[in-house]
Amino acid sequence: DTAVSQTPKYLVTQMGNDKSIKCEQNLGHDTMYWYKQDSKKFLKIMFSYNNKELIINETVPNRFSPKSPDKAHLNLHINSLELGDSAVYFCASSLGTSGGEYEQYFGPGTRLTVT
Amino acid sequence: SQQGEEDPQALSIQEGENATMNCSYKTSINNLQWYRQNSGRGLVHLILIRSNEREKHSGRLRVTLDTSKKSSSLLITASRAADTASYFCATASSGFGNEKLTFGTGTRLTIIP
Repeated sequence: DTAVSQTPKYLVTQMGNDKSIKCEQNLGHDTMYWYKQDSKKFLKIMFSYNNKELIINETVPNRFSPKSPDKAHLNLHINSLELGDSAVYFCASSLGTSGGEYEQYFGPGTRLTVT
Repeated sequence: SQQGEEDPQALSIQEGENATMNCSYKTSINNLQWYRQNSGRGLVHLILIRSNEREKHSGRLRVTLDTSKKSSSLLITASRAADTASYFCATASSGFGNEKLTFGTGTRLTIIP
């Protein structure tokens, strides 16, 4: 039983294209996140949603737009892809919104390569 | 800047030895978490230690927290090849909800069989 799943696992695309990454969790959690992990393994939060409501929006270019159709899904759409967007994107979920209080469950990651 | 910084950045030890990783952070926290990331995989939660706890155990893992020094350590005893992974500490600043979890730079641990 997959707890947090992401699709696709790999995404190779050209600069200027628009792409989406999908995430689903079957843990019944209220809160979901998107993280970006760069080539140096530095993991940084991008967005957080609680019950479909945006609660954390870090300094992320407007080209990135998260969408949460329901509390089990959080998708990430990226417009006009740039070389610097190449990274591994992780979706995660947790029971509550307080970042330090709850363990987070991570998906397997989506490796995005922009050429 | 980052909340957590792990030390060392990389560590190689023989199987069966103990591995110790350290994490330092900058602001007051409510809790500190440790995560493991195997190559090509997502992060897996290992342990959460609260600011009023000094030590916590889980199987072969022992975590300490010194809030006066703003530091934590993760000890893995009797290491196994399967422990090869990157280990991250993560903290959230003291607050009243919606605090983001900030991850450290990670320690890459290699267990030599």
